[in-house]
Amino acid sequence: QVQLVQSGAEVKKPGASVKVSCKTSGYTFTHFDMHWVRQAPGQGLEWMGIINHSGDRTTYAQKFQGRITVTRDSSTSTVYMDLSSLRSEDTAVYYCTRSFSFIVVDASYHHFDYWGQGTLVTVAS
Amino acid sequence: QSALTQPASVSGSPGQSITISCTGTRSDLGTFASVSWYQQHPGRAPQLLIYDVTTRPSGVSDRFSGSMSGITASLTISGLQTEDEADYYCSSYSGGDTFVFGTGTKVTVL
Repeated sequence: QVQLVQSGAEVKKPGASVKVSCKTSGYTFTHFDMHWVRQAPGQGLEWMGIINHSGDRTTYAQKFQGRITVTRDSSTSTVYMDLSSLRSEDTAVYYCTRSFSFIVVDASYHHFDYWGQGTLVTVAS
Repeated sequence: QSALTQPASVSGSPGQSITISCTGTRSDLGTFASVSWYQQHPGRAPQLLIYDVTTRPSGVSDRFSGSMSGITASLTISGLQTEDEADYYCSSYSGGDTFVFGTGTKVTVL
């Protein structure tokens, strides 16, 4: 069965960086794009970025550009999200999620079919 | 990349039907029929409920249905049950490999 298992909770000081991992299993890793989504306490879901199935293309939400780096390692079927220059507003649960995509000539369809369990990142001095 | 607009809360009694709206723009819902819905219980990861506007994944109750008109997508829950009490989010592809979520709706079963 498909599983996405994320690394444990982190506590970081303002200005530091955090790297969250997401180890996948149960499917062919190189066939699917992967995303990161975060959720601040009591708030909604926020899409952060995508790395494509082959790992040679990333796209980030404008809000995070310059601070986020998403990578993937096909030898371990693991995706990583690195967020730098942390501030208190980055305190959130971070989720990795797989997208299933169907692309035809003039349309494309995507949805997030499997999610990791979430990783709480707390930024505090 | 502004969030899609959802009502903050919707409530209903057991057995009733409720509908949650999700309003976007011409750039997202108006261009791409790639809307999905997610259910999230407290402390849990989101779970896929509906994709491609109307399709239910296997294992999801047929009490959940999706529709779309113009730049507004809707999720209807029929025969409301206590276990449906959760947060619900819509999501859309918005082009150029970017995605957007809705603001989220808290469903309360009275």
